[in-house]
Amino acid sequence: DSGVTQTPKHLITATGQRVTLRCSPRSGDLSVYWYQQSLDQGLQFLIHYYNGEERAKGNILERFSAQQFPDLHSELNLSSLELGDSALYFCASSATRGQGYGYTFGSGTRLTVV
Amino acid sequence: GENVEQHPSTLSVQEGDSAVIKCTYSDSASNYFPWYKQELGKRPQLIIDIRSNVGEKKDQRIAVTLNKTAKHFSLHITETQPEDSAVYFCAASGSFQKLVFGTGTRLLVSP
Repeated sequence: DSGVTQTPKHLITATGQRVTLRCSPRSGDLSVYWYQQSLDQGLQFLIHYYNGEERAKGNILERFSAQQFPDLHSELNLSSLELGDSALYFCASSATRGQGYGYTFGSGTRLTVV
Repeated sequence: GENVEQHPSTLSVQEGDSAVIKCTYSDSASNYFPWYKQELGKRPQLIIDIRSNVGEKKDQRIAVTLNKTAKHFSLHITETQPEDSAVYFCAASGSFQKLVFGTGTRLLVSP
């Protein structure tokens, strides 16, 4: 157990639907990062939140949105789903912005769009 | 912009051989360089990291070297074992300490 909790582990849904992925960071970590990993691909950065504020955006589609709540958990919302959105979605947390600490990844949510 | 290039994309070695994976980064302000190992269907896990004030770091069979002048860093695995087979990602710290990842190297160690 890495200390970063992602739910659900698996999600199967139909095209056009909307889903919410949830991430709870390690205790004390203020930063949450979301990544998308398609089959046999690398880690595509989506978005970074620090203590409730959006800090950086990567190649995140307009159909996707995220937020970080006061208790520091984060949710990634994916809407109008397409077949190509099928992927493994990871969140990661890190200790302190500006300190160069490595990420700790959650176990991921495997999304399958049918 | 921030970019990390990683080579090779695939690497096949015999058990007991050494493996070397190389990365170059573009942001001269990067000061933290971790390496992650990802087994099939699992989460990436940190295996070793190095900071910009250090040129080399070792942990048993793995080592990382950093050349800040050339902006490249490498992962060295000695005496490879079948359980070393995985995808390895390098990363470099970017703006707001966001990690920029390389594209990954699939390492296959054959018995």
